[in-house]
Amino acid sequence: EPEVTQTPSHQVTQMGQEVILRCVPISNHLYFYWYRQILGQKVEFLVSFYNNEISEKSEIFDDQFSVERPDGSNFTLKIRSTKLEDSAMYFCASSPQGDARAGYTFGSGTRLTVV
Amino acid sequence: GDSVTQMEGPVTLSEEAFLTINCTYTATGYPSLFWYVQYPGEGLQLLLKATKADDKGSNKGFEATYRKETTSFHLEKGSVQVSDSAVYFCALSRDDKIIFGKGTRLHILP
Repeated sequence: EPEVTQTPSHQVTQMGQEVILRCVPISNHLYFYWYRQILGQKVEFLVSFYNNEISEKSEIFDDQFSVERPDGSNFTLKIRSTKLEDSAMYFCASSPQGDARAGYTFGSGTRLTVV
Repeated sequence: GDSVTQMEGPVTLSEEAFLTINCTYTATGYPSLFWYVQYPGEGLQLLLKATKADDKGSNKGFEATYRKETTSFHLEKGSVQVSDSAVYFCALSRDDKIIFGKGTRLHILP
C-alpha cells in the first residue's frame, strides 16, 4: 500500500536553529498538508498546499514557518528559528483530490525536540 | 468552531474485554467522521470512517456509528487484543481540513 514517508523520525535542535522536515507524499496525490501534535494535546492543522501554493494556513503557521515542494517528490516544512514551544510531533499528509471527507494518508511523523 | 471531544485516557483493559471509546463532536454542516489509530512508533492510520448520519464504519473488528441526534461517533470492539494497544484519535472533516480530538491511549493487558 502506498505510504507517505517522513524523515527524520526524530530531530533534536538547539533553540534558534533552522530545521527542515522532509516528506515524500504518495506519488499521484496533489494536495499536501502539515499537522503537528504537541505532547498530550490535539493534532493541529498547520498548512495545506496545492499547485505549488499554500491553500490555507492556521494561526500557528506564522512567518517562522514555510513550506516548499522543491522537486517532484519532496514536500518540506522549514522552521527558520526554532523555539522551545515548537517541540512537537509533525505529521505530513497527502490526498489525491483534497477532499477531507475521504480522509488523508498520514506519514509516521517527525518528533522535533528543541533544547 | 468545529471540534471533537473524546474520553481521556489512558484506558486499560484485559485481553478479550469489550471496548468503548467515547467521541462527541460539534460541527456545522455534515462532516465525515473518522477514527485514526497510531500504533507505537508509527504514523496516523485511518481505522474507519462514516460519511453521513446512521452510517456505520468498521474495520479490524472495530466499529463506530455516526449518530447525528447525539452528535457522537463512539468506537467499539467486542473483544480487544494486546495488539490493539495504541492511541486512538476521533476526527471530523471541515472544508479541506481534518480536525482531531486529543487522542485516547489504550493499553491491553494479556
